[in-house]
Amino acid sequence: EAGVTQSPTHLIKTRGQQATLRCSPISGHTSVYWYQQALGLGLQFLLWYDEGEERNRGNFPPRFSGRQFPNYSSELNVNALELEDSALYLCASSFSGGTADTQYFGPGTRLTVL
Amino acid sequence: AQSVAQPEDQVNVAEGNPLTVKCTYSVSGNPYLFWYVQYPNRGLQFLLKYITGDNLVKGSYGFEAEFNKSQTSFHLKKPSALVSDSALYFCAVRDMGAYGGSQGNLIFGKGTKLSVKP
Repeated sequence: EAGVTQSPTHLIKTRGQQATLRCSPISGHTSVYWYQQALGLGLQFLLWYDEGEERNRGNFPPRFSGRQFPNYSSELNVNALELEDSALYLCASSFSGGTADTQYFGPGTRLTVL
Repeated sequence: AQSVAQPEDQVNVAEGNPLTVKCTYSVSGNPYLFWYVQYPNRGLQFLLKYITGDNLVKGSYGFEAEFNKSQTSFHLKKPSALVSDSALYFCAVRDMGAYGGSQGNLIFGKGTKLSVKP
């Protein structure tokens, strides 16, 4: 069974640009989560999508946004990039948004903002 | 507010010795607890979880964790460490929000670096 996939692996942008990161969940999973892992800040929750709807978002500014497509894949958009947006962005999926469901993570996209 | 603490930044163990990586939690209501491992430049791999039931949870790669409600702890253990176990370990708890409803996301500890020497 294929795991969570993310693209691209690496992304280099300059300040003020926009970045788009993509995630394909495990087949059969309807929930997708996005996390940011920045140096010194640990793992921070960004967004949760389930059945095409945004269910919850973490404490991030509105320039972090995303969507979930009918096939349950998802993309994360970061507008007006800032240097501190440089981080590993991790996508996870789960069977549903159930409390006991396990989240399975992809390999991540390393975003570097110059 | 829910939170998870991993009190040790690094744990050093000799190969073949038992290992313990500590985690304590603070939640309102029943906790849903998880352990993940992260190898360099990789995503997180799920090891095990506690939802309810037996306090000793067995997981992948020979790892297990003991849930202790009175001490609000969920320590990760392995009877015999391998050099290949060297990695960053994260404890996490499901965010249940202010009113006990799942917010979907996990709240992670800051991670513990495990170093197993031959």
